[in-house]
Amino acid sequence: GAVVSQHPSWVICKSGTSVKIECRSLDFQATTMFWYRQFPKQSLMLMATSNEGSKATYEQGVEKDKFLINHASLTLSTLTVTSAHPEDSSFYICSARPPGVNSPLHFGNGTRLTVT
Amino acid sequence: GEDVEQSLFLSVREGDSSVINCTYTDSSSTYLYWYKQEPGAGLQLLTYIFSNMDMKQDQRLTVLLNKKDKHLSLRIADTQTGDSAIYFCAETPYSSASKIIFGSGTRLSIRP
Repeated sequence: GAVVSQHPSWVICKSGTSVKIECRSLDFQATTMFWYRQFPKQSLMLMATSNEGSKATYEQGVEKDKFLINHASLTLSTLTVTSAHPEDSSFYICSARPPGVNSPLHFGNGTRLTVT
Repeated sequence: GEDVEQSLFLSVREGDSSVINCTYTDSSSTYLYWYKQEPGAGLQLLTYIFSNMDMKQDQRLTVLLNKKDKHLSLRIADTQTGDSAIYFCAETPYSSASKIIFGSGTRLSIRP
């Protein structure tokens, strides 16, 4: 079945540094990928839609300069958390939808970011 | 607007059936999904149902859809300790096939 791989699984960084998270579709091409953030004991919050070959679409309230998204190829999207602060600590998850009308979303395993 | 609601907690005895319920507001939904999230992990697609179906069964999982009441349920037969997780109901509205709306998740705990 469709697999979405996310790397790294967890990362600890110091305040002020930047962290890059990768999301790959392993057995299908994805022109669109989605990035979510999940706070403890809460549901997923859609942050942005990553579009291959064009700019990402950010949800209201998400700082585009803070969360840089690059969709460089049909199988890779990256999320870079710039100048990270402790309040950026969270669980970040990506997803992608295989080709086909209304095919279901498949999710990566998530990245737990801790900013110290 | 589009909204998906589900209860936050469910406790079930091992071996019994678990029934997790979900309601949604968008009558034009195309697909309705159930995802499972284990602690510290991402979301795993369990099953999904197209909105023109009433029921779907896959091994221990049974999904029931009542379009009139906009009610979706997931039944897990013979619940095991490995079923402990958060279960998210989600829908894809017809108006936007690229958008998915999640419920808040139901935390299923299994007692011996």
